[in-house]
Amino acid sequence: AQKITQTQPGMFVQEKEAVTLDCTYDTSDQSYGLFWYKQPSSGEMIFLIYQGSYDEQNATEGRYSLNFQKARKSANLVISASQLGDSAMYFCAMREGLYGSGYSTLTFGKGTMLLVSP
Amino acid sequence: EAGVTQFPSHSVIEKGQTVTLRCDPISGHDNLYWYRRVMGKEIKFLLHFVKESKQDESGMPNNRFLAERTGGTYSTLKVQPAELEDSGVYFCASSQDLRERDTDTQYFGPGTRLTVL
Repeated sequence: AQKITQTQPGMFVQEKEAVTLDCTYDTSDQSYGLFWYKQPSSGEMIFLIYQGSYDEQNATEGRYSLNFQKARKSANLVISASQLGDSAMYFCAMREGLYGSGYSTLTFGKGTMLLVSP
Repeated sequence: EAGVTQFPSHSVIEKGQTVTLRCDPISGHDNLYWYRRVMGKEIKFLLHFVKESKQDESGMPNNRFLAERTGGTYSTLKVQPAELEDSGVYFCASSQDLRERDTDTQYFGPGTRLTVL
């Protein structure tokens, strides 16, 4: 079974609109972390936002927020006020186990390509 | 502060040849990871160093892959001999300290695109 599922291979949004990128995950661990990375056409992977399984509040970083629904095992990324520079591939990833355990391998989804049009 | 750097950015080799990829982590980061993305597939974990020691190498595909991190600084990943299925983008990432939540985040380099012909 897939541990990280991103069901949207591609998404289109107009500039200044908000967009939600879906991510569902599968784990039996009680402690885990969820990450979103952005990969523009230049290829580098840029860390965007992190949500810990015990965090009671949804994580926010500027225009990025993570809609964390633990019971549904979903961790959707919300980008508000899209900009042309947001066009990129977006990856959801999970680290299973408690941080500090010494094991922090990330499992990635297949990614969602976001295109922002003027 | 410099980010994670990788060299080369691209490499094209013939089947059977040897290639060595290099990764320089963020200064002070004890943890170094290698990942690979084969065309059309997810990014997959290869291995994890803590300083110069291999913490987890469960993702290494076979014994044609050899990773080293001498002195706990930069790391190299050698593929010998390369096969067609080794083509893909090889990412390196580093993180500071797994004991502290806020420093657990892995920061990635730009990747090395390897093409085996």
